[in-house]
Amino acid sequence: QQQVKQSPQSLIVQKGGIPIINCAYENTAFDYFPWYQQFPGKGPALLIAIRPDVSEKKEGRFTISFNKSAKQFSLHIMDSQPGDSATYFCAALMNRDDKIIFGKGTRLHILP
Amino acid sequence: NAGVMQNPRHLVRRRGQEARLRCSPMKGHSHVYWYRQLPEEGLKFMVYLQKENIIDESGMPKERFSAEFPKEGPSILRIQQVVRGDSAAYFCASSPGTSGRYSYNEQFFGPGTRLTVL
Repeated sequence: QQQVKQSPQSLIVQKGGIPIINCAYENTAFDYFPWYQQFPGKGPALLIAIRPDVSEKKEGRFTISFNKSAKQFSLHIMDSQPGDSATYFCAALMNRDDKIIFGKGTRLHILP
Repeated sequence: NAGVMQNPRHLVRRRGQEARLRCSPMKGHSHVYWYRQLPEEGLKFMVYLQKENIIDESGMPKERFSAEFPKEGPSILRIQQVVRGDSAAYFCASSPGTSGRYSYNEQFFGPGTRLTVL
């Protein structure tokens, strides 16, 4: 049973466009929702994270939108660049647990 | 300040052999986590260790897999009698055990070991 569902599986966007990646969760005990960026041959790196008491968080060109009632959250990348091409994972965890539950990932390609 | 180090980066084993994967956490980090990533899948938690203790092994297969984090030296993930289904990327993460940038115990990932079983 997959606890964090992520879509789309892959995404192609023109440079300057705004890719949007969506995730949904089921377990209301989750209280932390990070996003990770992974380049080929590398480990995932934390990009941005949000708690469910906040509806939006921005860091640079990356924004998380969070809808607690719908149990959904999404990542938006403003003014996307070819260097943003990577695999993005949404995730969830219970702070007391330390066990990260990952979505299956979205392979993003930004066209130059 | 070196990041999390894993070796080897690539490991090829024949069915039935043993695989040993090593992880050196970031300096000052006392918590280590192992995750497995199958092709086209997200990472799946396997085990969480602190020095000389296994804290949570709920994601570890019951047979053939074991992990340790000794007082001295790296953490080791050991897979005995490997099978083709063990082929995956194995990632280690470490954390300091205290609140980080987002007020939780942030985990920092290594580059992974890609295990191929022939």
